[in-house]
Amino acid sequence: RKEVEQDPGPFNVPEGATVAFNCTYSNSASQSFFWYRQDCRKEPKLLMSVYSSGNEDGRFTAQLNRASQYISLLIRDSKLSDSATYLCVVNTGGFKTIFGAGTRLFVKA
Amino acid sequence: SAVISQKPSRDICQRGTSLTIQCQVDSQVTMMFWYRQQPGQSLTLIATANQGSEATYESGFVIDKFPISRPNLTFSTLTVSNMSPEDSSIYLCSVPTRMDTQYFGPGTRLTVL
Repeated sequence: RKEVEQDPGPFNVPEGATVAFNCTYSNSASQSFFWYRQDCRKEPKLLMSVYSSGNEDGRFTAQLNRASQYISLLIRDSKLSDSATYLCVVNTGGFKTIFGAGTRLFVKA
Repeated sequence: SAVISQKPSRDICQRGTSLTIQCQVDSQVTMMFWYRQQPGQSLTLIATANQGSEATYESGFVIDKFPISRPNLTFSTLTVSNMSPEDSSIYLCSVPTRMDTQYFGPGTRLTVL
């Protein structure tokens, strides 16, 4: 079983749609959680951190469920510019960071 | 935020040769990381480069294949030695932030023929 698992997609959605990505992690001692965004042929960049209390940044909402070891990312009112691969990232302590394989999103006009 | 540059941005190499990738950061950092991202895959940590000591390699990666240098707090190199087509990948360096996140360099896209 992979340490961090994501649905690879791709998700093909029209502009304005709401899309949700899920991620599960296997190490119950994991300490911090993030979503990164990776555009085609570019490096990953931090999108947002994920907290148990939920974290919202504009159209993006991230949620963590420690009991279920589950992380989610919700994108509302999708834009063409949201097309990218979204990486679920888990830090298990210190700088030990595990990256999920990513979920690809295509937003169509 | 840190500004990170990598050289070369891409290269095409013959099998059996070696390539050295450079990573430059605009500020002093204690730790630098080297990752590999194979086609269609996520990032896998190769090693942590520490200034003043030997790099720490992850399981499945060895110094003979991926020697690393860290001569100062702003610079590191990763060499991919005796390359084979299986080494075709994107190689990225990164530096940690204070919040357990990382800034990544733009990556080096390597194709081995």
